[in-house]
Amino acid sequence: AQSVTQLDSHVSVSEGTPVLLRCNYSSSYSPSLFWYVQHPNKGLQLLLKYTSAATLVKGINGFEAEFKKSETSFHLTKPSAHMSDAAEYFCVVSEWYGNKLVFGAGTILRVKS
Amino acid sequence: GAGVSQSPSNKVTEKGKDVELRCDPISGHTALYWYRQRLGQGLEFLIYFQGNSAPDKSGLPSDRFSAERTGESVSTLTIQRTQQEDSAVYLCASSLSTGTGNTIYFGEGSWLTVV
Repeated sequence: AQSVTQLDSHVSVSEGTPVLLRCNYSSSYSPSLFWYVQHPNKGLQLLLKYTSAATLVKGINGFEAEFKKSETSFHLTKPSAHMSDAAEYFCVVSEWYGNKLVFGAGTILRVKS
Repeated sequence: GAGVSQSPSNKVTEKGKDVELRCDPISGHTALYWYRQRLGQGLEFLIYFQGNSAPDKSGLPSDRFSAERTGESVSTLTIQRTQQEDSAVYLCASSLSTGTGNTIYFGEGSWLTVV
């Protein structure tokens, strides 16, 4: 069975500094991995996804994530945080047949001016 | 439609009443999913549909919860005899199919409060 662990429940950065949101996964098969973002009172929006192609995945709004099989990690990064990045971020894994997404507990990103 | 649409967006109900939550997936999407998000927690999988059938109901919390889908389109999640612990955001999502890597698009959710 798959599982996802987001290592930080809260991350606080200053505007213009790098962002790192950590995610480790466990999966019996070759997983598909996703990062979703949820702004307050908004729906979930897909940031990026990994599906066994390039291990470095680029997403929207300058975010990217690197799939590292040896470390079972899929950390989300951004070189320079913007105030609008403040939101909750979810790391997600799906089985190879894609029927069910398993969500991490979420990381709340705070961006200080 | 352009995105996944859910109604009602907000629902306050008395304990013991039944509620129905509706989901209109993106047109042409054969896969439809229901998730629940309790306050301060991650998303819990409830059920998914491939067409009108539901191969995986493993996430439904109890027999008070049921869901159906008709016409390979609209889905309804029904909660009978609501309890306070049912208070949550109920999220519907859809995708073209259940194949791996298919992007799953979420609606904005139905916020349910049981008082």
